[in-house]
Order: sequence, then structure tokens, then C-alpha cells
Amino acid sequence: AQTVTQSQPEMSVQEAETVTLSCTYDTSENNYYLFWYKQPPSRQMILVIRQEAYKQQNATENRFSVNFQKAAKSFSLKISDSQLGDTAMYFCAFMIGYGGATNKLIFGTGTLLAVQP
Amino acid sequence: NAGVTQTPKFQVLKTGQSMTLQCAQDMNHEYMSWYRQDPGMGLRLIHYSVGAGITDQGEVPNGYNVSRSTTEDFPLRLLSAAPSQTSVYFCASRLSGTENSPLHFGNGTRLTVT
Repeated sequence: AQTVTQSQPEMSVQEAETVTLSCTYDTSENNYYLFWYKQPPSRQMILVIRQEAYKQQNATENRFSVNFQKAAKSFSLKISDSQLGDTAMYFCAFMIGYGGATNKLIFGTGTLLAVQP
Repeated sequence: NAGVTQTPKFQVLKTGQSMTLQCAQDMNHEYMSWYRQDPGMGLRLIHYSVGAGITDQGEVPNGYNVSRSTTEDFPLRLLSAAPSQTSVYFCASRLSGTENSPLHFGNGTRLTVT
């Protein structure tokens, strides 16, 4: 069975600084996808970034980037120039990539990030 | 295009009562799913469906029923509510046949069972 582990329940960062959130996963599959979702106090789930396991290049989306280490099964999220609006719970998620509609998203337990002014 | 719509946003039930959480999407997504979110446990999959007439169990299905009579709707039924079902429930959908298509989430339902 696949598992996703986020070992940092809470983190804090100063505005404009950089912070890295950790995520590790366990799988015997070779084809899969990884995601980071953000959940602000509004409770809405927002996709931040996604990574295909077959791509060596790390994904980036503006101030958000990942460090994908396939051999180590690690998928960390780096937030640069942190903003107050980045305050949220962040979830790492994993999906096996067989193709088709049956793929299920497995979530970690989340990291609560507080951006301090 | 409303996306994924969940109703109600909040609900309080007494132990033993039944209710249905509604979920509808207007994106023609074949895949739909229900998650529950509990503190320290992340989101756990309850049930999912890959198309009309097809449903399957997720990680925590006990106490919940689902049906999928149309592509648009995927209701979640609690037949006899228990305090352990106090949680925030999310419905989510995605395109099928596209491997890395993301899940689109509704805004959640906060359920309290007393």
C-alpha cells in the first residue's frame, strides 16, 4: 500500500523569507504523480503544484517549486518570498499513474504553515 | 461553470439520525469521490465512482453509502449517524483518461454528530 508522510505538523516563516515543507512517500510503483494542495482558513482545497514521476525536472509555479528526489522518495515544497496569503494547511498527495479513471489520491496528514508579518 | 458544488455547508445531527450530503459537478467528470478530513489525519477516501452506475469503497467506507445514477451527482448517505462521523467532508472530481489531471474539490461540509 502507498503511504504519504509529512513529518512537520506546524511551521512558521517570516514574510518574504523562504520555507521548505517536507514530504516522503512509500511505493513500489514506478509510474505515479505527486501533488501539493493548499487549504487556507476558508477550507477550500487549492492545487499548488504537480509533478510527474517520469520527469526529472522539478516542477515550478511562480514562487512555488519542488525538490523531487525519486530514489529517496522525497517530494518537498519550497515557497519563496513568503506572503501572508500563504498561511494555510499544505497537503502532499500521491497518485498511481496507471492511466484511466480508477486512480485514487492518497494524502499526507498536512503541515500547517503560518507566515508572520 | 460552477465546478463542484456541495450542500449543505454545515449540519448538526443527533446520534442515529440519517442524512444525505449532496455533491454535483458540471464539468462532465467521470471520476467522483468523497473524503473526510479529521485533525492530524489528513484526508481519507470514503467512496469513489468512475462513472454512472459504478461505485467502490475507499479507505474508510463503514457507515456510509453512495450511489451514482448520473454523471453529475454523487450523494453520500449516512444511514445512522455516530459521533465518530463528526468531520469535514469533501467531494472531489476529476477527468478520467488523463493521468495527471488534478482533483477539483467542493468547499466542504462540516458535520457535527451529537
